[in-house]
Amino acid sequence: ETGVTQTPRHLVMGMTNKKSLKCEQHLGHNAMYWYKQSAKKPLELMFVYNFKEQTENNSVPSRFSPECPNSSHLFLHLHTLQPEDSALYLCASSRVGTYNEQFFGPGTRLTVL
Amino acid sequence: DQQVKQNSPSLSVQEGRISILNCDYTNSMFDYFLWYKKYPAEGPTFLISISSIKDKNEDGRFTVFLNKSAKHLSLHIVPSQPGDSAVYFCAASLSGNTGKLIFGQGTTLQVKP
Repeated sequence: ETGVTQTPRHLVMGMTNKKSLKCEQHLGHNAMYWYKQSAKKPLELMFVYNFKEQTENNSVPSRFSPECPNSSHLFLHLHTLQPEDSALYLCASSRVGTYNEQFFGPGTRLTVL
Repeated sequence: DQQVKQNSPSLSVQEGRISILNCDYTNSMFDYFLWYKKYPAEGPTFLISISSIKDKNEDGRFTVFLNKSAKHLSLHIVPSQPGDSAVYFCAASLSGNTGKLIFGQGTTLQVKP
């Protein structure tokens, strides 16, 4: 595998379910990000991790819980989501020091019923 | 309040001609700007960037122009090719290089053969 991978690519869940999104980067980067893209809206940054430490939480509701066990893996744990949380969730990574040039995964298309 | 705006949702250009994609921003503290390209079912791909200390950056067929006084940047693609058909996102970063990118809504470019 190369680049940034995300699993699953598609996810349908009920509002009472608990699920997790997974991201893995194979680029040797040490900063990782979660973004949300809702229909007709810009990409919104959710979380930033540098060297496994969370450095940014963009006022994200607690029903989204990130986890970064190491510099190569990033998870987004989901519980009691709302239908308006349906969106494309994108993971990205970059080198520390070149934060701006982020490499994105293909995203997980999430539908909350 | 949207700090980065791409006011044209779509653009159609003939193959071989110039494509010009525009982006406006409101925050004068932005000091780095990027363009990303996104194909369907893929994550955004970094295309080209420019620091606020420059007014032009060129990479092959792609040139980004920055007009700080007008808070405006543009991406020129010359000559346009059908493979350039994609959604183009403009993004901006605040000084401090924290990795927090603010994205525009995107412009869908269609290059007709």
